[in-house]
Amino acid sequence: AQKITQTQPGMFVQEKEAVTLDCTYDTSDPSYGLFWYKQPSSGEMIFLIYQGSYDQQNATEGRYSLNFQKARKSANLVISASQLGDSAMYFCAMREGVNTGFQKLVFGTGTRLLVSP
Amino acid sequence: DTAVSQTPKYLVTQMGNDKSIKCEQNLGHDTMYWYKQDSKKFLKIMFSYNNKELIINETVPNRFSPKSPDKAHLNLHINSLELGDSAVYFCASSQDRFYEQYFGPGTRLTVT
Repeated sequence: AQKITQTQPGMFVQEKEAVTLDCTYDTSDPSYGLFWYKQPSSGEMIFLIYQGSYDQQNATEGRYSLNFQKARKSANLVISASQLGDSAMYFCAMREGVNTGFQKLVFGTGTRLLVSP
Repeated sequence: DTAVSQTPKYLVTQMGNDKSIKCEQNLGHDTMYWYKQDSKKFLKIMFSYNNKELIINETVPNRFSPKSPDKAHLNLHINSLELGDSAVYFCASSQDRFYEQYFGPGTRLTVT
């Protein structure tokens, strides 16, 4: 079974609008972390935001916020006021395995975001 | 002041050859990783090292051998390269297992 599901292969948004990128996850581990990474066309992976499973509040980093709904097992990324430079692939990832003593990131298949002027 | 660096950035080689990719981080992190990104952009962990000790080996063929001479370096050696090894290989590091991972720029390996 897929641990991380990103159902939107591609998304379009106009500059200055907000966009939500969906991510659902599957784990039985009580302690886990959720991450979003951005991969522009240049290829590097850029860490954007982190949400811990025990965090009471949704994480925010500048224009990025994570809409964490634990009961629904979703961790959607919201980008406010989109900019042309936001055009990239976005990956949701989960870190689990705290109780088993190891840590690894499991990635979703990504969503390609295109911001138009 | 590059945080995680990899060399080379591009690597083109023939089947059957042996090649290495080097990774260095200057962040003082304890944990380092190798990931493989295939042609469909899917990222999968290969190895994880914590303080030079192997923690994760994700069913990677024996032809792949990571080596960590010290905490700041994690190199990947690949023997007898195959066409299916063509991919982008990313090195990453984190303060320890619990924190976010910072990725290198990637090495695009093409096996012909």
